[in-house]
Amino acid sequence: NFMLTQPPSVSESPGKAVTISCTGSGGSIDTNFIQWYRQRPGSAPTTVIYEDDQRPSGVPDRFSASIDSSSNSAFLTISPLKSEDEAAYYCQSYDATSSWVFGGGTNLTVL
Amino acid sequence: QVQLVQSGAEVKKSGDSVSLSCKASGYTFTRYSIHWLRQAPGQSLEWLGWINTGNGTTKYSGKFQGRVTITRVTSAATSYMQLTSLTAEDTAVYYCLSPYVHWGQGTPVTVS
Repeated sequence: NFMLTQPPSVSESPGKAVTISCTGSGGSIDTNFIQWYRQRPGSAPTTVIYEDDQRPSGVPDRFSASIDSSSNSAFLTISPLKSEDEAAYYCQSYDATSSWVFGGGTNLTVL
Repeated sequence: QVQLVQSGAEVKKSGDSVSLSCKASGYTFTRYSIHWLRQAPGQSLEWLGWINTGNGTTKYSGKFQGRVTITRVTSAATSYMQLTSLTAEDTAVYYCLSPYVHWGQGTPVTVS
């Protein structure tokens, strides 16, 4: 079964860059699209990246995403970091049956 | 603007069923699929399934196959998700999503 693994937490200071990883196992990360969702406490998730590297309208270009096949990982980078970026971030892709698969989520703390 | 508005909070007992709704506006309903997800307290997101709003075909997560049914009424631009045989482990916030950008506000479901 295809699984996605994220670090439980990351932290960085405002103005810096932070990268959140999403590592695939049981399949290739680049087989299907990757989406990234942000969730602030007590709120519904919102989409910050879809179809690997597309930003929805209203998402600033401080958010970018990439895929590295050699490490079977996807990455979300936020630069420069702002205090409002503090949230949980989830990656999502698909398994061999086209069912959605989510990473466990990464809590981003802006120091 | 595109909006997905979900029905209100539900409190159920073990063994009950729950039916939630997700009403779409601001776009042609049958143009985009609707997915249903949930998030248990302190947990990640979990996918239940999706419906092709154009032809009504569905696909469900293997974990929920046999317990979940997703339907739609095109004239009402609304999708419904029914989950049966509820247990305490089904306590979660349930979300609808029109891939990949438009989310409903979520419906809390508590099973006691």
